[in-house]
Amino acid sequence: KQEVTQIPAALSVPEGENLVLNCSFTDSAIYNLQWFRQDPGKGLTSLLLIQSSQREQTSGRLNASLDKSSGRSTLYIAASQPGDSATYLCAASNQAGTALIFGKGTTLSVSS
Amino acid sequence: GAVVSQHPSRVICKSGTSVKIECRSLDFQATTMFWYRQFPKKSLMLMATSNEGSKATYEQGVEKDKFLINHASLTLSTLTVTSAHPEDSSFYICSGQDRGRSGELFFGEGSRLTVL
Repeated sequence: KQEVTQIPAALSVPEGENLVLNCSFTDSAIYNLQWFRQDPGKGLTSLLLIQSSQREQTSGRLNASLDKSSGRSTLYIAASQPGDSATYLCAASNQAGTALIFGKGTTLSVSS
Repeated sequence: GAVVSQHPSRVICKSGTSVKIECRSLDFQATTMFWYRQFPKKSLMLMATSNEGSKATYEQGVEKDKFLINHASLTLSTLTVTSAHPEDSSFYICSGQDRGRSGELFFGEGSRLTVL
């Protein structure tokens, strides 16, 4: 059964810093890997989707990579801003049509 | 991205009553929808998979008679919490899968249920 782990659980950085959030998964036979953002008391905002045939995806200051062989994905945030403060969730699905399995998230705090 | 609308966003009810939460895909057809539950400061736990026109598939430990799921159309799935108990208080989030977008999942805004 797929298990997703995220490290660190919490991260505090000053504004402007580049940072990396880590995600690992136990079953490398993934179909999709998605990164989400969740603000307190809110739903999920999809940030990036990486299909199993892809190695990375980029959107603005965000870059997500996928290494199936090592069972890892990273979310790189460039030039962090206070508005980036949120919980970032990594999730993986193993087949088309199946649910995402979520990690516990990394709570990011960016100070001005 | 595609839009999933969830209603109500907040609901407070008394113990023993039933509460229905709706999940609609507004601009795509979702043959499959997923219901998750999130406890405070915890991750999302999959409760069940809802397939249009068929019975839902529940995860181990989720009581199917307590959490009734109906997926009567390609754009609407409902979760009914029956005989609500304070321990059912939680954040419930639905998601729809848009197969036209590489199977990407889109999530509703969630429903905060408080059972008194």
